[in-house]
Amino acid sequence: GDSVTQMEGPVTLSEEAFLTINCTYTATGYPSLFWYVQYPGEGLQLLLKATKADDKGSNKGFEATYRKETTSFHLEKGSVQVSDSAVYFCALSDRTDYKLSFGAGTTVTVRA
Amino acid sequence: KAGVTQTPRYLIKTRGQQVTLSCSPISGHRSVSWYQQTPGQGLQFLFEYFSETQRNKGNFPGRFSGRQFSNSRSEMNVSTLELGDSALYLCATSRGEGAVEAFFGQGTRLTVV
Repeated sequence: GDSVTQMEGPVTLSEEAFLTINCTYTATGYPSLFWYVQYPGEGLQLLLKATKADDKGSNKGFEATYRKETTSFHLEKGSVQVSDSAVYFCALSDRTDYKLSFGAGTTVTVRA
Repeated sequence: KAGVTQTPRYLIKTRGQQVTLSCSPISGHRSVSWYQQTPGQGLQFLFEYFSETQRNKGNFPGRFSGRQFSNSRSEMNVSTLELGDSALYLCATSRGEGAVEAFFGQGTRLTVV
């Protein structure tokens, strides 16, 4: 079945540092890929998405590129802020089984 | 535009009881999915409904059930609660019919004692 593997955390960074969270996937079809973010006590918020190979999703300074050849969708941000502290989830949907498959989540803490 | 609304936000129940959780989707969204989030198992898919029909179900025991109403609102029910059912239950909605992204509610935190 479909699965997502993402970098184990926790990750602790200083403000203005570069962030990258690795995500690779296994899927039988041609999935859409997502990054969701979860702040303490909240549900999940969609951060960005990509629906086909070489698509780049971007939002709030975060970027991720759909790489079909390496089955990857790594999340990057050039200069993190304290407000970026959260748990980040990589997810896929193959659009035929009407569900999202999630990675385990990566906890990111940004220190001032 | 109102977001996905889940009620109640917090719930404490005793083992053996049953519980019903509610999810009201974003206006125009006809697909509703439910997920269970726990520290040990992460985010696991429970079921998905579209136009009152269950289209997919995750690997959970029959104690977990759901339904969707004609106005797209959905409920999930857990009967004979066990301590291991303690979790954050998240509802996600989308337009359905090929729509890509799903939008999540804030969740219902269920504690079974």
